[in-house]
Amino acid sequence: EPEVTQTPSHQVTQMGQEVILRCVPISNHLYFYWYRQILGQKVEFLVSFYNNEISEKSEIFDDQFSVERPDGSNFTLKIRSTKLEDSAMYFCAREAGQANEKLFFGSGTQLSVL
Amino acid sequence: QQQVKQSPQSLIVQKGGISIINCAYENTAFDYFPWYQQFPGKGPALLIAIRPDVSEKKEGRFTISFNKSAKQFSLHIMDSQPGDSATYFCAAHAGTASKLTFGTGTRLQVTL
Repeated sequence: EPEVTQTPSHQVTQMGQEVILRCVPISNHLYFYWYRQILGQKVEFLVSFYNNEISEKSEIFDDQFSVERPDGSNFTLKIRSTKLEDSAMYFCAREAGQANEKLFFGSGTQLSVL
Repeated sequence: QQQVKQSPQSLIVQKGGISIINCAYENTAFDYFPWYQQFPGKGPALLIAIRPDVSEKKEGRFTISFNKSAKQFSLHIMDSQPGDSATYFCAAHAGTASKLTFGTGTRLQVTL
């Protein structure tokens, strides 16, 4: 199973602060995703990123969010000014399979906004 | 139309019993239906998946049944074990390299 490593595993921040969540995919794939899961709820799509550009984003992914692949390897999700409701588990995911249909998730970053 | 409806919300099954989780969808563009298993504090892990050109897929104790005309699919866990206790999510995917739409999840507890 292709690995996706996420750092940090836990992040606590004050409301209004900026946070950067990081994802390090093991192999050289072009498609990446960010999903989030509010405690006890379903997993929700945030954004897909292809070849260094956003290919699709959800209504959750507003101007406070941005994604980058600054060094060609690490894939980051930045929340510019965190709100209480941003508290959630954030998962990075990458695709695999013959038709890139299988999605493999990292272990997530638990973000707590106080 | 993008929703995937999942039931039940929670399920308690005795060890050795059969666990059944159901999902329904509306969007006929969906063409790949995976099930994910999630343990507390972990990311969802791909368990088994099916495409709509087959009605059933079996991998070990896990079976997906797919009814294209009814737009429904279900996960059956045979001989359920305490180690199967987790949250299960169905999902649906349209085409390659596009987002997954998840169901609301089923919390399965397998008792001794």
